[in-house]
Amino acid sequence: DVKVTQSSRYLVKRTGEKVFLECVQDMDHENMFWYRQDPGLGLRLIYFSYDVKMKEKGDIPEGYSVSREKKERFSLILESASTNQTSMYLCASSLLRGVGETQYFGPGTRLLVL
Amino acid sequence: DAKTTQPTSMDCAEGRAANLPCNHSTISGNEYVYWYRQIHSQGPQYIIHGLKNNETNEMASLIITEDRKSSTLILPHATLRDTAVYYCIVRVAISGNQFYFGTGTSLTVIP
Repeated sequence: DVKVTQSSRYLVKRTGEKVFLECVQDMDHENMFWYRQDPGLGLRLIYFSYDVKMKEKGDIPEGYSVSREKKERFSLILESASTNQTSMYLCASSLLRGVGETQYFGPGTRLLVL
Repeated sequence: DAKTTQPTSMDCAEGRAANLPCNHSTISGNEYVYWYRQIHSQGPQYIIHGLKNNETNEMASLIITEDRKSSTLILPHATLRDTAVYYCIVRVAISGNQFYFGTGTSLTVIP
């Protein structure tokens, strides 16, 4: 079974703090993704990565950055947390293949910024 | 990616089959139909996907109409643990292409 793990289930931070969210997958997947999920808005893609040291912006990258130094690990960084970044953050990974690609999600990190 | 329409909520008696419909009338030929579910406070869980043929796995069956404009996810014997929000997603199968989750169908399995 594919396993995607996230470093924390719940996190409370203060406005202005730098926040690191870690995601690790154990299936040697090339693609990794960071989404945020908010009520009524569904999942929105923040950043994704096709390979080590590669990153691509998603729909809502502002206020976030990412790091992928190793294939299995994809980090989301909030440089200066703000209250509007309070959300559920979901990491996903997928195997690079031509058709029928399936994304597997981690359990999520619920972040509260005070 | 094509838009999907799902009922907001459904109930199903425990032990009965749960049939969750999805309309995707603007689907194009290279778009797959995916189903995920999300149990409260957890990450989305992959269920099944298909292109045009019906598919079955250990979790569910996916029935896609011949014109591909709609599909139905079938949970053959619903249990209380199947209570979740179910998302139907239509997506071009390009590697790395993101998944657009809408609001889904909230399924409640009743004892």
